[in-house]
Amino acid sequence: GAGVSQSPSNKVTEKGKDVELRCDPISGHTALYWYRQSLGQGLEFLIYFQGNSAPDKSGLPSDRFSAERTGGSVSTLTIQRTQQEDSAVYLCASSLGEYSSGGALREQFFGPGTRLTVL
Amino acid sequence: AQSVTQPDIHITVSEGASLELRCNYSYGATPYLFWYVQSPGQGLQLLLKYFSGDTLVQGIKGFEAEFKRSQSSFNLRKPSVHWSDAAEYFCAVGARRGGADGLTFGKGTHLIIQP
Repeated sequence: GAGVSQSPSNKVTEKGKDVELRCDPISGHTALYWYRQSLGQGLEFLIYFQGNSAPDKSGLPSDRFSAERTGGSVSTLTIQRTQQEDSAVYLCASSLGEYSSGGALREQFFGPGTRLTVL
Repeated sequence: AQSVTQPDIHITVSEGASLELRCNYSYGATPYLFWYVQSPGQGLQLLLKYFSGDTLVQGIKGFEAEFKRSQSSFNLRKPSVHWSDAAEYFCAVGARRGGADGLTFGKGTHLIIQP
């Protein structure tokens, strides 16, 4: 079965340009997460989607970051007016839901990431 | 707020030797705890997780971890490492329902295996 896929695998852009990063979750997974992995900060949670509900944007580092999820499946993370400090690996993860009916936190399955380099 | 500390940035172990990677967490209740491994160019793979019950949990690839509430720790162990275990290891904590979304990760421990 297919896992979480992300595209592109690598993206090099110039400072000030906008970029879009795509995530295809595992089929049937209703929960989708974006994380950022950078040298100075480690792995940081960015945003979470559950089905068609409004996303939890609490982790987004600035208003230049936004994300959407169309039809409860594919998600796009957009970074406007990129800065050099946005250079990082952006990881997407999906799960069957955030919690099981018994209250246990469900396992997140991670994609390979998109490496973003802002020159 | 929850947090995770992995005090060792790098660890070097000889092949065949035992391994222990340290993880300490901060959370107001019993947390959900995870260990992930990331090999070069790969995504994160779950090694094991703790939710409740037996405090010694077994994972894939011969790894195990022990939850110690009194020490707020969840250290990862393996009795005999293989060269293929060289990777970055991340400890993570997840909140109970109603808490923060997403996982909070430690900064990782880079494991180097000497022949």
